[in-house]
Amino acid sequence: LAKTTQPISMDSYEGQEVNITCSHNNIATNDYITWYQQFPSQGPRFIIQGYKTKVTNEVASLFIPADRKSSTLSLPRVSLSDTAVYYCLVGEGGATNKLIFGTGTLLAVQP
Amino acid sequence: DTAVSQTPKYLVTQMGNDKSIKCEQNLGHDTMYWYKQDSKKFLKIMFSYNNKELIINETVPNRFSPKSPDKAHLNLHINSLELGDSAVYFCASSQAAGQIYEQYFGPGTRLTVT
Repeated sequence: LAKTTQPISMDSYEGQEVNITCSHNNIATNDYITWYQQFPSQGPRFIIQGYKTKVTNEVASLFIPADRKSSTLSLPRVSLSDTAVYYCLVGEGGATNKLIFGTGTLLAVQP
Repeated sequence: DTAVSQTPKYLVTQMGNDKSIKCEQNLGHDTMYWYKQDSKKFLKIMFSYNNKELIINETVPNRFSPKSPDKAHLNLHINSLELGDSAVYFCASSQAAGQIYEQYFGPGTRLTVT
């Protein structure tokens, strides 16, 4: 299982774009990259998933360089409600694959 | 219309007691999970069931026993509770097993052992 490294915390202001980078140097060929968001007193919530290049959905974009050893979650124009912990996960799609949540990145959005 | 529900939301009990946490999903998913989140916010998987069969069984004490009566339910029974069992327990489900499938988490059950 590939280990991930993320910044422990980040600060931002409302309206700014936030980029959270995750390092996964020993990512395997079959591994996917998935990001989850967790608000206080709630369970994690899926944000986005990708394998390579760029993926975009209604809430975020995920940038993955060609070597796939890192990935960047981009949140456009954050608001106060985006204050949460963001987890980067790397793993295979197999049935017995386990989601390994690291420490995550606590994003604090200021007014 | 809660997708994944857990009961109870809070559970306070004394050491040595036996307790259960119930989980139900109405998404029609085949796979369900139990996670434990400790005070440092580390979230660790404990068990995973696919079509009522155990497929992931992490190294957890034998005092923890999951039970899946059907695909929509995965309950967690804990015997002889210890102080270290205090944590938030999350249930989750996914369409099928594997990281590529989005997991839907319940609201969590905060267990406090005194």
